[in-house]
Amino acid sequence: GAVVSQHPSRVICKSGTSVKIECRSLDFQATTMFWYRQFPKKSLMLMATSNEGSKATYEQGVEKDKFLINHASLTLSTLTVTSAHPEDSSFYICSARGGLPRLDTQYFGPGTRLTVL
Amino acid sequence: AQTVTQSQPEMSVQEAETVTLSCTYDTSESDYYLFWYKQPPSRQMILVIRQEAYKQQNATENRFSVNFQKAAKSFSLKISDSQLGDAAMYFCAFANFGNEKLTFGTGTRLTIIP
Repeated sequence: GAVVSQHPSRVICKSGTSVKIECRSLDFQATTMFWYRQFPKKSLMLMATSNEGSKATYEQGVEKDKFLINHASLTLSTLTVTSAHPEDSSFYICSARGGLPRLDTQYFGPGTRLTVL
Repeated sequence: AQTVTQSQPEMSVQEAETVTLSCTYDTSESDYYLFWYKQPPSRQMILVIRQEAYKQQNATENRFSVNFQKAAKSFSLKISDSQLGDAAMYFCAFANFGNEKLTFGTGTRLTIIP
């Protein structure tokens, strides 16, 4: 149980375009989903927390108009990087909370590598 | 704000031996959770073990166990009978009870020597 998927696993886009990343909880309903960013050989940095049907809560320093988060259902959250630039290139990871066996534990997706040319 | 410190950027261990990864944290809260996550080269974050602060008994999951010292704010991970598949980046993480956010340490890269 507690499987989280992300799509796509890799994406390359041109500067100025927008990219959408999907995060799905496959076998449980996620009360909360989280979006992280990870730079090479670094730890995970929390970008935002989203609850189904509510606006996302962004961490300090994260541009909410740049990184749009939609949590449309209890199994799907999306992160849209708008007007992407090379500095947005990174590894983006989502997690979902609410799955068995531990309802209060975050289970992570496999991540999405974004490269902006 | 909570902080999590992993003072060992890299560790190595011979296959079949035991290794301990260190983690300390700082918090003024009394109720919280501590986690160890593993990130292999695939970069998929995998939950290794979880400890509730109110429990005095140390958590164990097969070859993985923790030494939780609440007063010292220490949460080390012991891996017994190390296997090649244990090679990964290990992250210690903290979450307040009732607050869902995870605070991660900087990670320890574990190498298994055949």
